[in-house]
Amino acid sequence: EDQVTQSPEALRLQEGESSSLNCSYTVSGLRGLFWYRQDPGKGPEFLFTLYSAGEEKEKERLKATLTKKESFLHITAPKPEDSATYLCAVQLDSNYQLIWGAGTKLIIKP
Amino acid sequence: EAQVTQNPRYLITVTGKKLTVTCSQNMNHEYMSWYRQDPGLGLRQIYYSMNVEVTDKGDVPEGYKVSRKEKRNFPLILESPSPNQTSLYFCASSFGTGGGNYGYTFGSGTRLTVV
Repeated sequence: EDQVTQSPEALRLQEGESSSLNCSYTVSGLRGLFWYRQDPGKGPEFLFTLYSAGEEKEKERLKATLTKKESFLHITAPKPEDSATYLCAVQLDSNYQLIWGAGTKLIIKP
Repeated sequence: EAQVTQNPRYLITVTGKKLTVTCSQNMNHEYMSWYRQDPGLGLRQIYYSMNVEVTDKGDVPEGYKVSRKEKRNFPLILESPSPNQTSLYFCASSFGTGGGNYGYTFGSGTRLTVV
């Protein structure tokens, strides 16, 4: 069964304390892996697309990496405004369907 | 401003009373989709449309209907809502399927409560 699992469910960090969020996947075939950010009361906002193992993408304090089994979203020196729920989704190569993880709620304390 | 507009933002209704949630996008996207989001379950796809007059079921289509008569609009219809359809609903659109290097653009959501 195709599955996407995100960990941890929630993560509390002090401002400036770097860490990583994990998205592990078990799918029949990967077309792409997506990261989104979701603020309370809003729809998800697109961050990155990764297509192949070894690929990396960066945006401000965020860097996403991809291996054959998982993706990491590294956050460097986070600020309170980085607090949000981060979602990952895997697109299957068989039917273009997206399978979503349940998300990691990130809280950055000043 | 490029956006996906959903209405209403909040809706409380009674079991069995037909309702429609509207979704409109101004980006000329071919692909549109409806999701529901429930705590701990992630986003689950209800229906999607790859272009005008082309719609298909997602993972949880039971109890929902959609139509795509125009490229910009993709309404979600609940013919006879039930309490288990209480959820947060999102409409999304993209160029092509999945979004490629630009991802989906999501609406702000519709919080539906069925009593």
